[in-house]
Amino acid sequence: GAVVSQHPSWVICKSGTSVKIECRSLDFQATTMFWYRQFPKKSLMLMATSNEGSKATYEQGVEKDKFLINHASLTLSTLTVTSAHPEDSSFYICSARELGQGLVYTFGSGTRLTVV
Amino acid sequence: AQSVSQHNHHVILSEAASLELGCNYSYGGTVNLFWYVQYPGQHLQLLLKYFSGDPLVKGIKGFEAEFIKSKFSFNLRKPSVQWSDTAEYFCAVKETDKLIFGTGTRLQVFP
Repeated sequence: GAVVSQHPSWVICKSGTSVKIECRSLDFQATTMFWYRQFPKKSLMLMATSNEGSKATYEQGVEKDKFLINHASLTLSTLTVTSAHPEDSSFYICSARELGQGLVYTFGSGTRLTVV
Repeated sequence: AQSVSQHNHHVILSEAASLELGCNYSYGGTVNLFWYVQYPGQHLQLLLKYFSGDPLVKGIKGFEAEFIKSKFSFNLRKPSVQWSDTAEYFCAVKETDKLIFGTGTRLQVFP
């Protein structure tokens, strides 16, 4: 079946630095990718939706200049957390939807970000 | 905008007990509904989904869910749980092209 590879699985960074998280669809083309943030004991909160070759659509309250999303190809989307702060520490999950598969969403294994 | 409520935050069961996890969404019309499971340290996996037809949906690993339109509900059930069902369970509704998730239910099954 469809697989989404997300890297790194965990990262620790210093306050003020930037971190890039990659999300790759393996063996399928993902026209749309989604980025979620998962808080402890909370739901997955959708941050943004990205379509290949166009600007990402951010959910209300998500700072687009802080969470940069790039979807340059049909198999790769990246999330860059810029000038990270401790409150950005969280679990980030990507999801990809295959071209022509409207109801099939495949999730990555997530990235645990800790900002110290 | 749609929202999803999962009222059971933490459920503890013994093996062989029956399971029902509640899920309610906020408004009607045509809905696509999903249940996902997240085992410790793993990615979200689809258990089952409803988009039309028979409101009783069968999924993997013996799970099923019933769509009740009048109650805006899509509860997940399993007649006899196993220790290996210990995981986090998420209900989701599709809105335009994105999934809106509930807060999740942590299920612990003891032998």
